[in-house]
Amino acid sequence: ILNVEQSPQSLHVQEGDSTNFTCSFPSSNFYALHWYRWETAKSPEALFVMTLNGDEKKKGRISATLNTKEGYSYLYIKGSQPEDSATYLCARGTSYGKLTFGQGTILTVHP
Amino acid sequence: DTAVSQTPKYLVTQMGNDKSIKCEQNLGHDTMYWYKQDSKKFLKIMFSYNNKELIINETVPNRFSPKSPDKAHLNLHINSLELGDSAVYFCASSPTALTSGGTDTQYFGPGTRLTVL
Repeated sequence: ILNVEQSPQSLHVQEGDSTNFTCSFPSSNFYALHWYRWETAKSPEALFVMTLNGDEKKKGRISATLNTKEGYSYLYIKGSQPEDSATYLCARGTSYGKLTFGQGTILTVHP
Repeated sequence: DTAVSQTPKYLVTQMGNDKSIKCEQNLGHDTMYWYKQDSKKFLKIMFSYNNKELIINETVPNRFSPKSPDKAHLNLHINSLELGDSAVYFCASSPTALTSGGTDTQYFGPGTRLTVL
């Protein structure tokens, strides 16, 4: 993996479903992995910053895990709600705060 | 109070003009950034300043020049605008990127949609 890649590109789920998506990144020279939530017409909003292999973070119904050795992170949403509809971005953080973003996963939660 | 603000929100201009976008943060952060959201919707870093000093300068045409009069402000000047400059430009700030080892959370402004005709 040379760049930050996210999959799937888009996802449609029903209210109440649990879902997850993947962020893959170069595993060499790892500093940090960021997750952001980006609602239409708003600014990207930080969810998590993870640095250690095996890190797990949780914020309400949203959680994330990190595997720095194989270069991936998963974001999970439990019991999706329509207000969870957004683009979820991951970014690899390196020195001087440089963030390299993936293209995002667009989540749509249908009532 | 808005943490990171940008003006203007929309900017429509003719090819060849010179324009500026302003960014201000009231979070007391040391580091500020400019990103461009390209046609494929990727957010790509352009520049970063830490306490008025340039620390990240990606491969960006030299028609783009950032200016930081103080650590709360980072403006983006664009000379001789081209059609390909049309995009959404985001400003962001973080506490202190120099010593954070890539872990600094960045706080984004609302974006400026630039349209070059």
